[in-house]
Amino acid sequence: DTEVTQTPKHLVMGMTNKKSLKCEQHMGHRAMYWYKQKAKKPPELMFVYSYEKLSINESVPSRFSPECPNSSLLNLHLHALQPEDSALYLCASSQGGLVGQGETEAFFGQGTRLTVV
Amino acid sequence: QQPVQSPQAVILREGEDAVINCSSSKALYSVHWYRQKHGEAPVFLMILLKGGEQKGHEKISASFNEKKQQSSLYLTASQLSYSGTYFCGTVGNTGGFKTIFGAGTRLFVKA
Repeated sequence: DTEVTQTPKHLVMGMTNKKSLKCEQHMGHRAMYWYKQKAKKPPELMFVYSYEKLSINESVPSRFSPECPNSSLLNLHLHALQPEDSALYLCASSQGGLVGQGETEAFFGQGTRLTVV
Repeated sequence: QQPVQSPQAVILREGEDAVINCSSSKALYSVHWYRQKHGEAPVFLMILLKGGEQKGHEKISASFNEKKQQSSLYLTASQLSYSGTYFCGTVGNTGGFKTIFGAGTRLFVKA
């Protein structure tokens, strides 16, 4: 199984809503990531978890709250988002921990297309 | 800091070759190349870890000049399936081994 599965595929939410994005992998990867991608732009790193611990937070606003319940799951909790947060949210995973990110490929999920209204 | 990719876009006829360049202003630990088709997730192509390392996969290969902090992706005898946006991702020697993606190169191969 070389898949990273993200749910939901599409999400429309109001600015006062609370929602969560989910990501799952069963490849035994110890690093998991959240990226944000706007149209015609590259993926932009948000968070990195290494061995289930948050190791990198790229100064992401607190309305985005990541959670790693176990080594296979990664969540992104959303609250009080703004319309400019509308984007494709990609989850990825790779072998190894923090250093491993530099040495091994990242497997990306298909993403959640988020629209904030 | 975001690596710089060039060109921004390229149009090829099937069978033609292309080179995509990626350069960084800081020392690099590794360079990653990904291709993303419209509406899909980025897909891994290759990683280059050592200075001067060249890797190849079918008709796609890449080189990494550690001294110049540059990498190039070579696509030979392009196929229609090569169309997409190519991103280089650089991992620096400092700053937590995180991958920073370049702005991307849009490649369109026509019959």
